[in-house]
Amino acid sequence: AQKITQTQPGMFVQEKEAVTLDCTYDTSDQSYGLFWYKQPSSGEMIFLIYQGSYDEQNATEGRYSLNFQKARKSANLVISASQLGDSAMYFCAMREANQAGTALIFGKGTTLSVSS
Amino acid sequence: KAGVTQTPRYLIKTRGQQVTLSCSPISGHRSVSWYQQTPGQGLQFLFEYFSETQRNKGNFPGRFSGRQFSNSRSEMNVSTLELGDSALYLCASGGELGENTEAFFGQGTRLTVV
Repeated sequence: AQKITQTQPGMFVQEKEAVTLDCTYDTSDQSYGLFWYKQPSSGEMIFLIYQGSYDEQNATEGRYSLNFQKARKSANLVISASQLGDSAMYFCAMREANQAGTALIFGKGTTLSVSS
Repeated sequence: KAGVTQTPRYLIKTRGQQVTLSCSPISGHRSVSWYQQTPGQGLQFLFEYFSETQRNKGNFPGRFSGRQFSNSRSEMNVSTLELGDSALYLCASGGELGENTEAFFGQGTRLTVV
């Protein structure tokens, strides 16, 4: 069974609009971490934001925020005021408690296209 | 602080050959993981090393192997290359074990097997 589900293969948004990229996860662990990464066409994987399962506040990093709903096992990424440079593939990932530091499980990704 | 460095960036190899990829983590990081990314399979976890010990391994054949040195630098080796090994290989670097740590990636090595 998929542990990270990203149901939106592609999303289209206009500049300056906000966009939400969906991510649901499946784990029986109480302690886990959730990540979002951006991958432009160049291939590098850029870390955006991290949320620990015990963090009470939703994580925010500049224009990025993570809408963490633990009971629903949901960790959606919200990008405010989209920019053309936000066009890329976005991956949601999870680290489970029984895994060590950098062993992550990734979703299949969502391609975001921002137009002017 | 320097980021994660992967070398080489691009590589073309022939079927049957072997290849070694290198990853230098962020200074102070002791966890290094390797991932294979292909259009069909997405991002798949290969293995993770922490303090020179392999802690986790993904579901890949034994042709894929790795190691980590005392300075935390890691190498990944693929022997008897197959066409299907063509992929972007990404390395991730992280700090101490546990949930409250981030994982940073290098720019990747794009391997083409012909």
